[in-house]
Amino acid sequence: EVQLLESGGGLVQPGGSLRLSCAASGFTFSSYAMSWVRQAPGKGLEWVSAISGSGGSTYYADSVKGRFTISRDNSKNTLYLQMNSLRAEDTAVYYCAKKRKNIVLMVYIDYWGQGTLVTVSS
Amino acid sequence: EIVLTQSPGTLSLSPGERATLSCRASQSVSSSYLAWYQQKPGQAPRLLIYGASSRATGIPDRFSGSGSGTDFTLTISRLEPEDFAVYYCQQYGSSPETFGQGTKVEIK
Repeated sequence: EVQLLESGGGLVQPGGSLRLSCAASGFTFSSYAMSWVRQAPGKGLEWVSAISGSGGSTYYADSVKGRFTISRDNSKNTLYLQMNSLRAEDTAVYYCAKKRKNIVLMVYIDYWGQGTLVTVSS
Repeated sequence: EIVLTQSPGTLSLSPGERATLSCRASQSVSSSYLAWYQQKPGQAPRLLIYGASSRATGIPDRFSGSGSGTDFTLTISRLEPEDFAVYYCQQYGSSPETFGQGTKVEIK
């Protein structure tokens, strides 16, 4: 059974940093691309970032480019999202999501974690 | 960036009725790279449909997807109590991937 367990969310001040983690199990982690998708309170879904299975290709939404960094440690079956220069508009539940194949583009998400809440406020 | 517009915003129906949800893209979605997800309150989204019309594993056959190009539809043939939720379409054919704003299916 595929399981994705996010952690690392919390309250942070504007301009601060936070690192999210996603522990994966139930599948061969290195064989699948992964994504982060966020959802602001009461709002819809917004794609944030994605990474290929090897970690060699990464993609970012314009809204986070230059501030967020996605990475993965395939030896630990863990996905990360380093978030710097956080803004109030980054407040959201952040979901870790598994892609159906090893590549990012033209591949759908087939599993989602339960999410971790990030609140950016003074 | 491809903008997806879902309609209606809210659909009020009774159990047993048919639900028809629309997703319209601002430009053609290549090779029908369109998915539908269901989200219930406090839960993560769940994949229903990929490739515009293929049901994901374990999804009941009352859920069906259709369409191509810029117009896509999710149909729930007979609503069950557990189907009342928010539904999102997503295109994954071009970067950045984008989601529609969602359609809420509520009990009438």
